[in-house]
Amino acid sequence: ETGVTQSPTHLIKTRGQQVTLRCSSQSGHNTVSWYQQALGQGPQFIFQYYREEENGRGNFPPRFSGLQFPNYSSELNVNALELDDSALYLCASSSEGGAHSYNEQFFGPGTRLTVL
Amino acid sequence: AQSVTQLDSQVPVFEEAPVELRCNYSSSVSVYLFWYVQYPNQGLQLLLKYLSGSTLVESINGFEAEFNKSQTSFHLRKPSVHISDTAEYFCAVSGIYNQGGKLIFGQGTELSVKP
Repeated sequence: ETGVTQSPTHLIKTRGQQVTLRCSSQSGHNTVSWYQQALGQGPQFIFQYYREEENGRGNFPPRFSGLQFPNYSSELNVNALELDDSALYLCASSSEGGAHSYNEQFFGPGTRLTVL
Repeated sequence: AQSVTQLDSQVPVFEEAPVELRCNYSSSVSVYLFWYVQYPNQGLQLLLKYLSGSTLVESINGFEAEFNKSQTSFHLRKPSVHISDTAEYFCAVSGIYNQGGKLIFGQGTELSVKP
């Protein structure tokens, strides 16, 4: 069974550029969540995708957008990069979305984004 | 809405000593509670979780945490730590009725085990 994978592992961009981060979910999982972890902070929820639809969003501006594909892999896109976007971006997959239940989220190793 | 406060940003301890990492949470609804561990340059690994039932939960590597509803706490303990326990530990909550298990994390506690 393959775990959650993310690419690239590291990325350097300049302010104003756009970036796309990728996540492959664990086999059998149909839900992907994205988190931003700034240096020295805990992860913050960006949004979640369930069966290709956005299923909840945290307090992030619209320039953070996402996509989930039919194979349940996912992309996080960030437009107009700012210096404060420098962080570790974590992807987590789980087996089911929706309320009234808990399904463990399995995290990938993250993508380290540096904005200069 | 939920929030999590980890009361210690850094905890230095000697090998084989006991340790407690403190976590308090705030929520207007019932919650699930978690402790995650993050080793350098790695993602998060679930250490243990409280969903329901017994308020004392244990991990396979000797950690335990107790859910205290009256004090809204979920402190993590280990009676004897090893060098390999050195890592960042995150407490997290998820409202049982929220959208698909969104996790709210604390700021993290850096556990440093010295020989």
